[in-house]
Amino acid sequence: KQEVTQIPAALSVPEGENLVLNCSFTDSAIYNLQWFRQDPGKGLTSLLLIQSSQREQTSGRLNASLDKSSGRSTLYIAASQPGDSATYLCAVISNTGKLIFGQGTTLQVKP
Amino acid sequence: DTGVSQDPRHKITKRGQNVTFRCDPISEHNRLYWYRQTLGQGPEFLTYFQNEAQLEKSRLLSDRFSAERPKGSFSTLEIQRTEQGDSAMYLCASSPPLRGRDVDEQFFGPGTRLTVL
Repeated sequence: KQEVTQIPAALSVPEGENLVLNCSFTDSAIYNLQWFRQDPGKGLTSLLLIQSSQREQTSGRLNASLDKSSGRSTLYIAASQPGDSATYLCAVISNTGKLIFGQGTTLQVKP
Repeated sequence: DTGVSQDPRHKITKRGQNVTFRCDPISEHNRLYWYRQTLGQGPEFLTYFQNEAQLEKSRLLSDRFSAERPKGSFSTLEIQRTEQGDSAMYLCASSPPLRGRDVDEQFFGPGTRLTVL
C-alpha cells in the first residue's frame, strides 16, 4: 500500500529565506507526482507536476525534484515571501489516476 | 468561470440527517474524483468516475455514502444518517481525457465543508 509522508509538519521562516519541503513515498511505482498549495479553508491549487520520467520541474521561485529510486521528492522555495504562507501538499498519482496525499507541511513566512 | 465548482460551500447539519453535495467538473473532463479531508490531514481518496461509470471506491466509502454521475457530467455525493465523524472538507476534482502522452493532472474545486453537530 502506497504511503506518503511529509516532513516537517510545520515550518516557520523569516521572509527572504530559501527553504526545502520534503516528501517521501513507499512504493516507487508511481505514475506522476504533484505538489499543491492549500490556503486555510480553501481548495487545492496545483503548483508543479513531475512526470515519472522527469527529475525536476521549475515554476518561478519553485523547483520540485523527484527521485523515484529513493522514493523522495523535494519542493524548493527560493526567497520566501509572506504570501507563500500556506499548507503544501505532496501527492503521488497512481496508474488509475487517483492521488495519494501526504499530510502536508504548514509554512509560515514571517515579515 | 471554467473551473470545478462545488455546491454548497458550507453545510451544517445535525447528526442523523442526510446531506447531498454537488460537483460540476470542467467542461469535457470525463474523469471525476471525490476526496475527503479532515483537519490537519491530507485529502483521502473516496471514489472515481470515468464518464458515468464509477470505477473505483475506497474502503472509506461506507454504505452510508453514495456517489453518482448519471449523465457523465456533474456528480453528487450523498451521506445518509450523518455522524460527527463525517465532519470534513469534501473535495471534488476532474481530469480531461488522456490523449497520447498528455500529462495526467487533476483540477480541484473549492470544496464543501461539512459540520455535523
